Amino acid sequence: SAVISQKPSRDICQRGTSLTIQCQVDSQVTMMFWYRQQPGQSLTLIATANQGSEATYESGFVIDKFPISRPNLTFSTLTVSNMSPEDSSIYLCSVVPFRGPYTEAFFGQGTRLTVV
Amino acid sequence: AQTVTQSQPEMSVQEAETVTLSCTYDTSESNYYLFWYKQPPSRQMILVIRQEAYKQQNATENRFSVNFQKAAKSFSLKISDSQLGDTAMYFCALMEAIQGAQKLVFGQGTRLTINP
Repeated sequence: SAVISQKPSRDICQRGTSLTIQCQVDSQVTMMFWYRQQPGQSLTLIATANQGSEATYESGFVIDKFPISRPNLTFSTLTVSNMSPEDSSIYLCSVVPFRGPYTEAFFGQGTRLTVV
Repeated sequence: AQTVTQSQPEMSVQEAETVTLSCTYDTSESNYYLFWYKQPPSRQMILVIRQEAYKQQNATENRFSVNFQKAAKSFSLKISDSQLGDTAMYFCALMEAIQGAQKLVFGQGTRLTINP
């Protein structure tokens, strides 16, 4: 399995500011992902965090708004930039560890962001 | 593109009853994985059960079992002898087994309430 530490667990931010969320894994992982979960909704993939190269963003998400870093195989950050109330959501980090034919995704405990 | 559909936004049963949550999906890949995740109010995503598409046998985990119908692209979850602790959001998810693209696509979720 993989143990994920995601920080902060929650924050209340002023509109127009930025927040950086950290995701630390206790082992090297192949894939790291960032998801957004709007209130009462399902999880939507923001981007795949690629080690040593630019993140791969899903349709509707752009690097200027959600810059992502992944300096090594155990750590990634997601920044929510120039926030507005519409950015109020839960943001989750997810990883798929190195494995053979067996594949499973593990999740951090999420960051609950409220923009006021 | 892959899609996952859960047509039951909410379900409610009495404790000790059996409940079945529905999920249909679509993918053009022949090799993929299907998952049911549980999200209690704590926000933590918890893996309930996993099914590899190449396995014909339905997966089981204690009180949880699936009915995997590959031709119909259906993947339902049965919870037997339901317990109060089963109360949570349940998400069906699909992962295509493409190296470097092992992202999850989630259904809309089903809010399950177990009543005493």
